Amino acid sequence: DVKVTQSSRYLVKRTGEKVFLECVQDMDHENMFWYRQDPGLGLRLIYFSYDVKMKEKGDIPEGYSVSREKKERFSLILESASTNQTSMYLCASSNAGEYVETQYFGPGTRLLVL
Amino acid sequence: EDQVTQSPEALRLQEGESSSLNCSYTVSGLRGLFWYRQDPGKGPEFLFTLYSAGEEKEKERLKATLTKKESFLHITAPKPEDSATYLCALRSRKLIWGLGTSLAVNP
Repeated sequence: DVKVTQSSRYLVKRTGEKVFLECVQDMDHENMFWYRQDPGLGLRLIYFSYDVKMKEKGDIPEGYSVSREKKERFSLILESASTNQTSMYLCASSNAGEYVETQYFGPGTRLLVL
Repeated sequence: EDQVTQSPEALRLQEGESSSLNCSYTVSGLRGLFWYRQDPGKGPEFLFTLYSAGEEKEKERLKATLTKKESFLHITAPKPEDSATYLCALRSRKLIWGLGTSLAVNP
């Protein structure tokens, strides 16, 4: 079974802190994604990566950056956390050529910024 | 503009009471419609992909169908473990997610 793991289930940070969210997948998938999920707004794509060191902006990249130094690991960075970044963050991965057909999601990180 | 709308927002059923969830869409060039299930506090789990009108997919008590304007997720004789939020997504130039239908099945 595909497994996508995220470094934390719950995280509490202060405004202005730099926040790192880590995601690791064990199925050698080329594509990896970061979403945030908010009530009434649904899933929104922040960034995605189709290869090591490659990244593409999603729908809401402002205030975020990403890093993919190894194929299995995709990190989301909040350079200076703000209260409006309080959300559920979901990482996903998929095979190349299956851009959105079968995305495998991690359990999510619920981030609270105070 | 490409759009996807799910209805109802919430649905409560008795165990064994069959029903359908709706995903209606407007899109220029549908390249796939997807159903996911999401349990509370977890990430979405893939269920089905549909590509063309008339296509149907089944898995246990779930059956997904597709027309040119909408998709239905039919739930036959649901059980309490079918309680979850069901998400619809469609791919045109990009992936667009619906807001989901929250399903509760009472024993």
